[in-house]
Amino acid sequence: EVQLLESGGGLVQPGGSLRLSCAASGFTFSSYAMTWVRQAPGQGLDWVSGISGIGGGTYYSDSVKGRFTISRDNSKNTLYLQMSSLRVEDTALYYCARDRVYCGRGNCFLRDASDFWGQGTMVTVSS
Amino acid sequence: IQMTQSPSSLSASVGDRVTITCRASQSISSYLNWYQQKPGKAPKVLIYDASSLQDGVPSRFSGSGSGTDFTLTISSLQPEDFATYYCQQSYSNPRTFGQGTKVEIK
Repeated sequence: EVQLLESGGGLVQPGGSLRLSCAASGFTFSSYAMTWVRQAPGQGLDWVSGISGIGGGTYYSDSVKGRFTISRDNSKNTLYLQMSSLRVEDTALYYCARDRVYCGRGNCFLRDASDFWGQGTMVTVSS
Repeated sequence: IQMTQSPSSLSASVGDRVTITCRASQSISSYLNWYQQKPGKAPKVLIYDASSLQDGVPSRFSGSGSGTDFTLTISSLQPEDFATYYCQQSYSNPRTFGQGTKVEIK
């Protein structure tokens, strides 16, 4: 059974940093691209960042580029999101999600949907 | 790429046929996905590549369109379908979402 478990959320002051983790199980983690999607309270979905299966390609939304860094440790089956220079508007529930298509050993980040999602970890940026 | 859904919300009855539209600000070929989200839950993919039904999703859900205009149709609305629906383009990064369409009980 595919499982994604996010952790690392919490309350942080504006300008601060936080690192989110997403522990994956039930599939060959290194063979799938992964993404982070966030949802501010009462708002819609906002795509944040994505990374290819072997980590060679990383992608960001304009709103987080230069402040957030996505990475993965395939030996630990874990996805990360390092967030710095946090702003009040970064307050949201952060989901990690797996891309649908199996990439094998390729460094692919395809035009793909996300088929498995975690339950999210809440990040609150406030003074 | 900007994604615009309409309507933002709708009220419908069980058994109704429901249609939600999504428009992209530029051509995205058929790289359009539809998700369903229920309160307090993570999104669930229903349709990928504009018209392909994700495994396990009931056949009352269908998608169509290409280029800039897309449609999600629920042929006969069921009680468990009351939720918010989002389109997402995966043609280019960032993979932007529409603002969502809330389907409520009439």
